[in-house]
Amino acid sequence: GQQLNQSPQSMFIQEGEDVSMNCTSSSIFNTWLWYKQDPGEGPVLLIALYKAGELTSNGRLTAQFGITRKDSFLNISASIPSDVGIYFCAGSNAGGTSYGKLTFGQGTILTVHP
Amino acid sequence: DTGVSQDPRHKITKRGQNVTFRCDPISEHNRLYWYRQTLGQGPEFLTYFQNEAQLEKSRLLSDRFSAERPKGSFSTLEIQRTEQGDSAMYLCASSYGTGSRDTQYFGPGTRLTVL
Repeated sequence: GQQLNQSPQSMFIQEGEDVSMNCTSSSIFNTWLWYKQDPGEGPVLLIALYKAGELTSNGRLTAQFGITRKDSFLNISASIPSDVGIYFCAGSNAGGTSYGKLTFGQGTILTVHP
Repeated sequence: DTGVSQDPRHKITKRGQNVTFRCDPISEHNRLYWYRQTLGQGPEFLTYFQNEAQLEKSRLLSDRFSAERPKGSFSTLEIQRTEQGDSAMYLCASSYGTGSRDTQYFGPGTRLTVL
């Protein structure tokens, strides 16, 4: 089935550093979403992207919808300890026959050392 | 603003028992999704409701699984004759989908452990 390749699988950084992670797909999507998940909790939406080439920020987070519609990246600037968690990318083709069904990447585990 | 809620948060059951989970979506959200997440993986799609109609089911949803959304509001997911392989986090998400914009908000999940 359709899969998203998310990299890196894990990151260990110092507080204050910037972080970059990305997601690629073999198929195109018309929507890219980035979520953060804490242990034992559901994913929390960070950023939603709806248009190829779109660059969107949410505080210290910036994400871009790749121009080919097959990739997206998420940047976190000036990381802080509460950024620790698992970050997931997800793509969908809402509006088509697959409705809004999300296909998720494998996640990036982020550890921030104080 | 009330988010998506799920009940119970945790369920431990013995193999062969039936279990039922409930999801209450964000008010007025017309779309409701169920996903399953195993350890170390991203969530995987199970099924989708548009109002009360179940419009898509994944092949992951075997005949032991059934989902309903009787009045287009809350939804239930039932697993009959549970197996150890059913142990996972079951996530519900809802959205107000219009055209190609369908931003899904997730609940906290129900962690199922089958002994």
